[in-house]
Amino acid sequence: DTAVSQTPKYLVTQMGNDKSIKCEQNLGHDTMYWYKQDSKKFLKIMFSYNNKELIINETVPNRFSPKSPDKAHLNLHINSLELGDSAVYFCASSQASSGGSEQYFGPGTRLTVT
Amino acid sequence: GQNIDQPTEMTATEGAIVQINCTYQTSGFNGLFWYQQHAGEAPTFLSYNVLDGLEEKGRFSSFLSRSKGYSYLLLKELQMKDSASYLCAVRDPWNTDKLIFGTGTRLQVFP
Repeated sequence: DTAVSQTPKYLVTQMGNDKSIKCEQNLGHDTMYWYKQDSKKFLKIMFSYNNKELIINETVPNRFSPKSPDKAHLNLHINSLELGDSAVYFCASSQASSGGSEQYFGPGTRLTVT
Repeated sequence: GQNIDQPTEMTATEGAIVQINCTYQTSGFNGLFWYQQHAGEAPTFLSYNVLDGLEEKGRFSSFLSRSKGYSYLLLKELQMKDSASYLCAVRDPWNTDKLIFGTGTRLQVFP
């Protein structure tokens, strides 16, 4: 059983297009996250939701809009894609946001903007 | 601000022991994590330290010194499958939902 799943795994699109990435977790966790990992493998948080409520909104262009229809799902919509958006996007979830509560990561979505 | 430093790359031989260091400069401290990430895969949790000392988990151990802002991950009896990136991350003391990752250390294990 997949704990955190993302679709699609690969996404190739042209500049200016709008695309969405979906994430679902079946762990019963309250908190979900979106991370971006660039070509240098640097993993940086973008957004965090706790029980459908936005908790973290890092300095991310407003072309990126997360949506959490329920606590098991966190989707990421990107408008007007740019070359610099090419990266691997990871969804993650955790039971709590304190202590040793680890984050479980999805398999990632490799986005290539041409 | 928060800053986390790790060596970019390391190499080691199968069966050996390797120590991957991580230093952090943060305005407070609320826990440190180590994650393993194989190429093309998701990061997976290895260890968590919040108090000073050594946490042992099979072949992997993690050490923390809060006064020095320093941690290391120790991998014993290295296997080829240990070739991966190892990510050090600290929990933001002012926003516990947020993990701040270092750039990761790419470890290559040779036969």
